[in-house]
Amino acid sequence: AQTVTQSQPEMSVQEAETVTLSCTYDTSESDYYLFWYKQPPSRQMILVIRQEAYKQQNATENRFSVNFQKAAKSFSLKISDSQLGDAAMYFCAYRSADDSGGSNYKLTFGKGTLLTVNP
Amino acid sequence: DGGITQSPKYLFRKEGQNVTLSCEQNLNHDAMYWYRQDPGQGLRLIYYSQIVNDFQKGDIAEGYSVSREKKESFPLTVTSAQKNPTAFYLCASSILGRNQPQHFGDGTRLSIL
Repeated sequence: AQTVTQSQPEMSVQEAETVTLSCTYDTSESDYYLFWYKQPPSRQMILVIRQEAYKQQNATENRFSVNFQKAAKSFSLKISDSQLGDAAMYFCAYRSADDSGGSNYKLTFGKGTLLTVNP
Repeated sequence: DGGITQSPKYLFRKEGQNVTLSCEQNLNHDAMYWYRQDPGQGLRLIYYSQIVNDFQKGDIAEGYSVSREKKESFPLTVTSAQKNPTAFYLCASSILGRNQPQHFGDGTRLSIL
């Protein structure tokens, strides 16, 4: 079974600075997808960024980028020019790319990192 | 606007009572999911459905039941057999496809009276 580990329960960053959130995962599969979700105080889960394991290029979405190290099974999220609205719980998630169905469509989540942005 | 609607936002259950959480989506997604979130924990999958009239157990299905009679709807019943139901429940949906992300509703907070 796949597992996702977020080793930083809490992080803080100054407004306009850069912060990196860590995520490691364990899998025996070679093809899969990785996601970062944001959960603000409103509790809604919002997709931040996604990465296909077969792509070597790191995904980027505006101020959000990832550092995907497949051999190390590492998938960190970098937030540049941090804003007050970035304060939230961030979850790393794994999904199998096996399309044979069944439980392969489920997301496996880490326990989350609570990010505080200081003005 | 398309999206996922969960209701109610807050729900209280008495001992021995079954309660049903509603989840409706107008995104025309085939797959729907129910997750449970506890403090300090990530989300854990309760049940999921890829097609109408079919659903499968997730990692923590005991004490829960679901139905999928319509594509748009995937209600979750928390039965009296679930001894620790206090949690935040999130419903999600997605297109069936290799890299399709799941989209989430706003959640329901269930507490015991």
